[in-house]
Amino acid sequence: DAKTTQPPSMDCAEGRAANLPCNHSTISGNEYVYWYRQIHSQGPQYIIHGLKNNETNEMASLIITEDRKSSTLILPHATLRDTAVYYCIVRVGDQAGTALIFGKGTTLSVSS
Amino acid sequence: NAGVTQTPKFRVLKTGQSMTLLCAQDMNHEYMYWYRQDPGMGLRLIHYSVGEGTTAKGEVPDGYNVSRLKKQNFLLGLESAAPSQTSVYFCASSYQLAGSYNEQFFGPGTRLTVL
Repeated sequence: DAKTTQPPSMDCAEGRAANLPCNHSTISGNEYVYWYRQIHSQGPQYIIHGLKNNETNEMASLIITEDRKSSTLILPHATLRDTAVYYCIVRVGDQAGTALIFGKGTTLSVSS
Repeated sequence: NAGVTQTPKFRVLKTGQSMTLLCAQDMNHEYMYWYRQDPGMGLRLIHYSVGEGTTAKGEVPDGYNVSRLKKQNFLLGLESAAPSQTSVYFCASSYQLAGSYNEQFFGPGTRLTVL
C-alpha cells in the first residue's frame, strides 16, 4: 500500500469548511484513496473513497488531483461533532480480508 | 440494525487470567476482524476471518486465539493475559464483494487493562 502524509493537526471554525489534505505521491494505478475518522474513544468510521474522479456523499467531498498524487477531504460545514482524527488510507480496492493501515492521521479541532 | 457490537466494554484482568471478547454483527457480513489500538500506534490487525469456520493471523497474533463458529460472531480469546495486552480492542466486519471496495464497519471497542 502506498504511504500517505497528513498534517498532524488542523483547526476549523464551526460552520466553515474543513479542508484536510493528504499526499500520496507513490500511489499506484489500481489503488484507491479512502478516508476514515475516529471520534474520541469510538471505533473508526468510514467517510468516503475514490479512485480518479471527485466524489461526494452526505458526509463529505473528496477531491483527487489529476495526477492522483494528493487529495483533499472537504467537510462543507464543520460542526463540533466533526472533531476527530481523520485518516487517509491508500490501498488496492478489492482487498477484503486484509487490514486497513491507519497512520497517525490529522487531528481536526472544530471550535465555536 | 445494531451494526457491530462488542462485549464487554471494559475489563480489568490480572496477569495470567484468561478472558474472551465477543464481537457480533447483524449485517450478514462475510469478513470479520480484530484490531488493537495502542497510544500513538494506530490500529494493528490481530486476526481475521473470511467466513464461518475460518480464521487467519494478522500482524500481531501472538497471545491471542480466535473462533468463528457462527457467521455473525467472532470471538477473541486471551489464554494468559499479560500487561503488554493492555489496549483498546476493536472488532470490524465487511462484505465480500469481488471487484469493489469493502468498507469496514467498526464496533465501539473494548478497553482492557491487565495488571
